[in-house]
Amino acid sequence: DGGITQSPKYLFRKEGQNVTLSCEQNLNHDAMYWYRQDPGQGLRLIYYSQIVNDFQKGDIAEGYSVSREKKESFPLTVTSAQKNPTAFYLCASRGYSTNEKLFFGSGTQLSVL
Amino acid sequence: KNEVEQSPQNLTAQEGEFITINCSYSVGISALHWLQQHPGGGIVSLFMLSSGKKKHGRLIATINIQEKHSSLHITASHPRDSAVYICAVLRDSNYQLIWGAGTKLIIKP
Repeated sequence: DGGITQSPKYLFRKEGQNVTLSCEQNLNHDAMYWYRQDPGQGLRLIYYSQIVNDFQKGDIAEGYSVSREKKESFPLTVTSAQKNPTAFYLCASRGYSTNEKLFFGSGTQLSVL
Repeated sequence: KNEVEQSPQNLTAQEGEFITINCSYSVGISALHWLQQHPGGGIVSLFMLSSGKKKHGRLIATINIQEKHSSLHITASHPRDSAVYICAVLRDSNYQLIWGAGTKLIIKP
């Protein structure tokens, strides 16, 4: 079955450490998104990519980096510059047509040790 | 003012009641999405609308493009419908998704 796979489900980061969250999709979708969700809050856009080898900053990109070397993969790195990384991270994708539904991964909960 | 406004922010109802959640937006859009997020965090897409009305089981979604307004209705509500319902629009100028703040729905048995 097609879908989005995020891993790991839970991740712990030490101070000063970079960590990478994985997002893989086999839906042949062009657009992929990374969102951050804090407890009781809505989704905030970190980065998005409309096509391979291209990505754009969202509203809260500082302290994060991404790459889009393959259509299927859109990993998110939480760098040591992100001073408050504890949050729930969601990856989403959408097909090229504007009439296509959004698909979401199951999320990664990142916590700081 | 937010570009996507949802109301109400919180809604508690008894099992069996008819539920309506509203979404208003102020930008030009290509599509509007209704999504459901359960307490575990997973998000599921319920509907994608660009015009008219869609129905899936007990859920009905409508959109009025001229009035820039959409509604999500739940008929014969059930405690398992308890979740956060989120409206998101795809802006037609840059295809960026703009999210509503969500409506937290609790259905009591």
